Amino acid sequence: DQQVKQNSPSLSVQEGRISILNCDYTNSMFDYFLWYKKYPAEGPTFLISISSIKDKNEDGRFTVFLNKSAKHLSLHIVPSQPGDSAVYFCAANLRTDSWGKLQFGAGTQVVVTP
Amino acid sequence: ETGVTQTPRHLVMGMTNKKSLKCEQHLGHNAMYWYKQSAKKPLELMFVYSLEERVENNSVPSRFSPECPNSSHLFLHLHTLQPEDSALYLCASSQDLSYEQFFGPGTRLTVL
Repeated sequence: DQQVKQNSPSLSVQEGRISILNCDYTNSMFDYFLWYKKYPAEGPTFLISISSIKDKNEDGRFTVFLNKSAKHLSLHIVPSQPGDSAVYFCAANLRTDSWGKLQFGAGTQVVVTP
Repeated sequence: ETGVTQTPRHLVMGMTNKKSLKCEQHLGHNAMYWYKQSAKKPLELMFVYSLEERVENNSVPSRFSPECPNSSHLFLHLHTLQPEDSALYLCASSQDLSYEQFFGPGTRLTVL
């Protein structure tokens, strides 16, 4: 059963505009959320994260918003740049026993056009 | 070498072959992971090692056999695989089973 869902497999956005990526989850026990970015032929790289005790975290052009009541988080990229074209994975941490286990979404392919 | 490296990057094997995937991390981490990524599906956690001890085996078929000889190296031994095992296999490492995991580039495996 998939507990982290990214319902948009792809997103096309014009350079300079805002990219909004969405992620929904079903398990209210998740305590930490992360976004990873993946270029072709490379492994995912960590982008930004947010703890469940916060509702917003900002790092440069990237902002993650968390709405716990809706079990929804989003990643905003503004302004979008051609180098942002990649697959973005949402991940949520479920703390079990003494360690956490990441659950990943299926990813959203972002294409930034000139 | 820096970060997490994986070899080979591409592998084609028959169902009767035996092969091994190798992962090496140069970050001084003490936890390592194997993930499987099939097309259009989320990353699936396969195995987790912490301080060279396996802490998680996510109901993975026995035709996949992990080995962690030390904290810097992780292997995935493959034998009698099925075509549905064709996927991208990703290795990752972290410090103390923390949330932030660092991934290698993956091995693209094709089983004929």
